[in-house]
Amino acid sequence: DTGVSQDPRHKITKRGQNVTFRCDPISEHNRLYWYRQTLGQGPEFLTYFQNEAQLEKSRLLSNRFSAERPKGSFSTLEIQRTEQGDSAMYLCASSLQISDYTFGSGTRLTVV
Amino acid sequence: AQTVTQSQPEMSVQEAETVTLSCTYDTSESDYYLFWYKQPPSRQMILVIRQEAYKQQNATENRFSVNFQKAAKSFSLKISDSQLGDAAMYFCAYRKETSGSRLTFGEGTQLTVNP
Repeated sequence: DTGVSQDPRHKITKRGQNVTFRCDPISEHNRLYWYRQTLGQGPEFLTYFQNEAQLEKSRLLSNRFSAERPKGSFSTLEIQRTEQGDSAMYLCASSLQISDYTFGSGTRLTVV
Repeated sequence: AQTVTQSQPEMSVQEAETVTLSCTYDTSESDYYLFWYKQPPSRQMILVIRQEAYKQQNATENRFSVNFQKAAKSFSLKISDSQLGDAAMYFCAYRKETSGSRLTFGEGTQLTVNP
């Protein structure tokens, strides 16, 4: 296991389309986080899973966004009816208990 | 709500010199963690250094050290003997002591290292 993997690295989509991103955390990590990072800004928290349970969601996560972590392993983040404002880097991170985060390389979304 | 502020959007340093990046934060918590993360153009966020608020001693990791002033809510990063590979965006981040809590990031400081 070499770290947190995110797929795809880049995604270009037309406005109104749905997109789904995948995150594979470090295998023994039970906590998984999604963040969004717009150009020139720090990452902003979106949501957090402990095992398969989604324990916290930011108000940034509108009803067009949904995240899942079936079986407490990989996670998916889906954005429905994408808007140009959704263009950003989507970062995934995982951790074990209270240990430090390990981040993935992110998925860059461009909505045209 | 916790906030983290980095007042230096850009900094530059000559190779082998020392540079200090500033960070202030606001919280009503007494137990928390502070972090500096590095994000190179390859995008992966890498942990540089961590400070537990209950520790008075400033954290050090090789050429990286912090100046943690709890009363002033200040947390600066000093990079000694700067190297070209240190060039990146640096983010200061805060996390409550509670297990699983989110990170709150500052706006970032873009560090350029001049040869």
